[in-house]
Amino acid sequence: DVKVTQSSRYLVKRTGEKVFLECVQDMDHENMFWYRQDPGLGLRLIYFSYDVKMKEKGDIPEGYSVSREKKERFSLILESASTNQTSMYLCASSTPGTGPETQYFGPGTRLLVL
Amino acid sequence: DAKTTQPPSMDCAEGRAANLPCNHSTISGNEYVYWYRQIHSQGPQYIIHGLKNNETNEMASLIITEDRKSSTLILPHATLRDTAVYYCIVRVTDSWGKLQFGAGTQVVVTP
Repeated sequence: DVKVTQSSRYLVKRTGEKVFLECVQDMDHENMFWYRQDPGLGLRLIYFSYDVKMKEKGDIPEGYSVSREKKERFSLILESASTNQTSMYLCASSTPGTGPETQYFGPGTRLLVL
Repeated sequence: DAKTTQPPSMDCAEGRAANLPCNHSTISGNEYVYWYRQIHSQGPQYIIHGLKNNETNEMASLIITEDRKSSTLILPHATLRDTAVYYCIVRVTDSWGKLQFGAGTQVVVTP
């Protein structure tokens, strides 16, 4: 089974702190994604990566950065956390191929910024 | 990607089959139908996908109408752990990247 793990299920941080969210997948997937999920807004893509050291902006990259130094690990960084970044953060991975893409999600990190 | 329409909620008795409809009347020939679900406070979970033929796996069955304008996800013997929001998504065959989740159907399985 595909396993996507996230470093924390719940996190509480203060405004202005630098926050690191880690995601690890064990299926040798090339593609990795960071989404945030908010009530009424659904899933919104923050960043994605299709290879080591490669990254692409999603729909809402402002205030975030990412790092992919190893294939299995994709980190989301909040440079200076703000209260409007309180959200559920979801990591996903998939592998490209000739068939349809299936994304596998981690359990999510619920972040509260005070 | 084609738009989908799902009922906002439905109830199902434990042990009975749950039939979840999805309308995708503007689907194109190269678009797949995917189903995911999200249990409260967890990440979305992939369930099944199909193009034209009916599909079955250990979790569910997917029935796609001949004209492909609608589909039904069937949970054969619903359990309390199947209580979740179920999302029907249509995607072009060779597309990848952002998944567009709609509002989904909140399924509540009752004892």
